[in-house]
Amino acid sequence: DTAVSQTPKYLVTQMGNDKSIKCEQNLGHDTMYWYKQDSKKFLKIMFSYNNKELIINETVPNRFSPKSPDKAHLNLHINSLELGDSAVYFCASSQEILELAGGDDTQYFGPGTRLTVL
Amino acid sequence: RKEVEQDPGPFNVPEGATVAFNCTYSNSASQSFFWYRQDCRKEPKLLMSVYSSGNEDGRFTAQLNRASQYISLLIRDSKLSDSATYLCVVNGVTGGGNKLTFGTGTQLKVEL
Repeated sequence: DTAVSQTPKYLVTQMGNDKSIKCEQNLGHDTMYWYKQDSKKFLKIMFSYNNKELIINETVPNRFSPKSPDKAHLNLHINSLELGDSAVYFCASSQEILELAGGDDTQYFGPGTRLTVL
Repeated sequence: RKEVEQDPGPFNVPEGATVAFNCTYSNSASQSFFWYRQDCRKEPKLLMSVYSSGNEDGRFTAQLNRASQYISLLIRDSKLSDSATYLCVVNGVTGGGNKLTFGTGTQLKVEL
């Protein structure tokens, strides 16, 4: 069974469009994340949610709006897509935000969504 | 200075070689450390956590030196299947909360 799944796997769209990427985890984790990996392969966190609450927002443009309907889902909606948004977007989840008293902060990544904006 | 720095490589080594990767981090408040592996066009996957005492998993050995803010990964008897990008990852306290910070990765190519 897939632990962290994302849809779609590939997304090709025109500039100015609005699109969403969905993420689901069946690991029972409390924390979920969105990362962006650009053309230089640098992986950078965008958002983090813990128990459906936003805890990290790394100065991402407000065209990007994450939504967590429940602990198992974290979706990413992008308005007015720009060429520079082209990247691979990875969702991830972990049981803990940080290792505390033996908690597990290991992050498990989804397969990624390759977004191409034309 | 980057928060997590790695030599990008590529490291081209023959099968059976021993190869070592190094990584330095700038945030002294960092609390946990990992090596992730990323294959081409795939997601990062945890290779191993890194503990202060050092830890070993088969052919892989990770070391952490908190005083020098330095992490290493040693791969012995390298296999063709070890070819990938190895990401040094640090989890620590920041102004925005706790988060993973990734290095840019070190590319390893194991050749016949």
